[in-house]
Amino acid sequence: SAVISQKPSRDICQRGTSLTIQCQVDSQVTMMFWYRQQPGQSLTLIATANQGSEATYESGFVIDKFPISRPNLTFSTLTVSNMSPEDSSIYLCSVSIQGRSYEQYFGPGTRLTVT
Amino acid sequence: QKEVEQDPGPLSVPEGAIVSLNCTYSNSAFQYFMWYRQYSRKGPELLMYTYSSGNKEDGRFTAQVDKSSKYISLFIRDSQPSDSATYLCAMSRRTGTASKLTFGTGTRLQVTL
Repeated sequence: SAVISQKPSRDICQRGTSLTIQCQVDSQVTMMFWYRQQPGQSLTLIATANQGSEATYESGFVIDKFPISRPNLTFSTLTVSNMSPEDSSIYLCSVSIQGRSYEQYFGPGTRLTVT
Repeated sequence: QKEVEQDPGPLSVPEGAIVSLNCTYSNSAFQYFMWYRQYSRKGPELLMYTYSSGNKEDGRFTAQVDKSSKYISLFIRDSQPSDSATYLCAMSRRTGTASKLTFGTGTRLQVTL
């Protein structure tokens, strides 16, 4: 397994601003993922953060809105840009271990409220 | 139709009861089946995973997969108040170097004294 931390744990932001969420892992991992969890809905994959290359985005999510960085094998950031109240959600990063990409381990999440 | 369906509950049971949590799915390409537990204001925690059909036991927890019916279950024996959480099923198929997970909406479980 891996220990994952996220910063900030929560934030309240104004419409039109941007927030960058950090995800730190205590060991080198192959894959890092970013999810959104809205009340009453499934965890939804936003993108896969690839080290050394651009992130791979899921349908409905675009780089301009959710730019992602992955500078090394232990760290990634997700930015939520030009926020609106619809972006209020919990954002989670997860990692998978080399050779077992079907198992994922999650960070504690960042609770974002946009006013 | 969602790929993975899960009753959101809430499900309330007395301490010591046997709990049955279930998911159905529509995509026969799923090969790995996981159960996550999520406590309030925490990230999901991997409980168990199973490859293909069959049963897997770990302490008080048993995961069951029936691929012919596209149905998976998690049984919790001798349930405890500390089991009160939201349980999410998740599934994956191999997609290149990353296996994307598809989640159910989660079932909220409350174990009462």
